[in-house]
Amino acid sequence: AQRVTQPEKLLSVFKGAPVELKCNYSYSGSPELFWYVQYSRQRLQLLLRHISRESIKGFTADLNKGETSFHLKKPFAQEEDSAMYYCALRPGGYQKVTFGTGTKLQVIP
Amino acid sequence: SQTIHQWPATLVQPVGSPLSLECTVEGTSNPNLYWYRQAAGRGLQLLFYSVGIGQISSEVPQNLSASRPQDRQFILSSKKLLLSDSGFYLCAWSSPEGGNQPQHFGDGTRLSIL
Repeated sequence: AQRVTQPEKLLSVFKGAPVELKCNYSYSGSPELFWYVQYSRQRLQLLLRHISRESIKGFTADLNKGETSFHLKKPFAQEEDSAMYYCALRPGGYQKVTFGTGTKLQVIP
Repeated sequence: SQTIHQWPATLVQPVGSPLSLECTVEGTSNPNLYWYRQAAGRGLQLLFYSVGIGQISSEVPQNLSASRPQDRQFILSSKKLLLSDSGFYLCAWSSPEGGNQPQHFGDGTRLSIL
């Protein structure tokens, strides 16, 4: 069975400091990995997915199959990055999606 | 463009009463549909998902059930609510196409059981 672990419930950083939100997964096949974000009073929405290898709002995430990790990174945190972040995994070819417990990012001005 | 509607936004129900939460999607055909419960510290718990009309997969044995009477309609139900059913319920859809299709979420329903 697949599992997604986000070890930090809360991460507080100062504005301008680097950010790393950790995500580790457990799945024996080829997973599809996503980061979702929920800003205050907004819908949960996709931030980025590993297949796209894109940078969204300055965030990037690299899939490390050796370490089974998909950490979310940003070199310089902004106040508007404060939100709840969820890592999610979908086994390739299947529709069931498993989410982590989420990390609340708090950027201190 | 595609949209997802979920209602009601909030609901207060007594223990033992029935439940019906509705979710509809517009602008797409044959979407994959999902019901989640979001709880603080527990993330998003997948309750049910559906890949087609009448096809429901249940992930967590519980007091709830789901139905998909039409292609773009997904309903979460209960015959008798328990206190433990309180929570925030999210509906989501994704494209049936393969390969890294993301999920799109509704605004959610806050359910309080008294």
